[in-house]
Amino acid sequence: GNSVTQMEGPVTLSEEAFLTINCTYTATGYPSLFWYVQYPGEGLQLLLKATKADDKGSNKGFEATYRKETTSFHLEKGSVQVSDSAVYFCALSDQGNRDDKIIFGKGTRLHILP
Amino acid sequence: GAVVSQHPSWVICKSGTSVKIECRSLDFQATTMFWYRQFPKQSLMLMATSNEGSKATYEQGVEKDKFLINHASLTLSTLTVTSAHPEDSSFYICSAGRTQYFGPGTRLTVL
Repeated sequence: GNSVTQMEGPVTLSEEAFLTINCTYTATGYPSLFWYVQYPGEGLQLLLKATKADDKGSNKGFEATYRKETTSFHLEKGSVQVSDSAVYFCALSDQGNRDDKIIFGKGTRLHILP
Repeated sequence: GAVVSQHPSWVICKSGTSVKIECRSLDFQATTMFWYRQFPKQSLMLMATSNEGSKATYEQGVEKDKFLINHASLTLSTLTVTSAHPEDSSFYICSAGRTQYFGPGTRLTVL
């Protein structure tokens, strides 16, 4: 079945460091891929998404490219800020951007030190 | 963006009691809402899909008689954990709409 695997945290970085959070997936079809972020005390927010191979999603300085050949969707940011401290979830939907199920990874907690 | 609220944000109850959790879409209508469960350091697991005006669709392994879902209006879905036990202690999260805007979650602790 479909699944998402992401690197375990916590990940601790200094401000302005480069960030990579790895995510790989297993899917039988052609899924859409997502990164969600959960700030302390808040609900999940969609950070970015990509709906087909080679698409790049981007938002707030974060980027992720849909790599079908490596079944990956790694999250990157060139220079992190303290305000980026949160839990990040990689996810997929096997029906694309439709009203359908979302399968989540376990989440990666990110701590940014000033 | 769209706002989804959950009430209560946390609840502690005795074993054997029932607990109701509300999920509301505050500024949009949602014919479909989703209920997830999250154990510490684990993924969000989809429990059921709640459809306004019809029966919920439960995922395999989720007891529909234990986790009662009602979606009586386009802005409200409720999840009732019946006869709660300590193993039901978890973080319950709802989402609403096609884009799945998420609520802040409800932490349930069963003593």
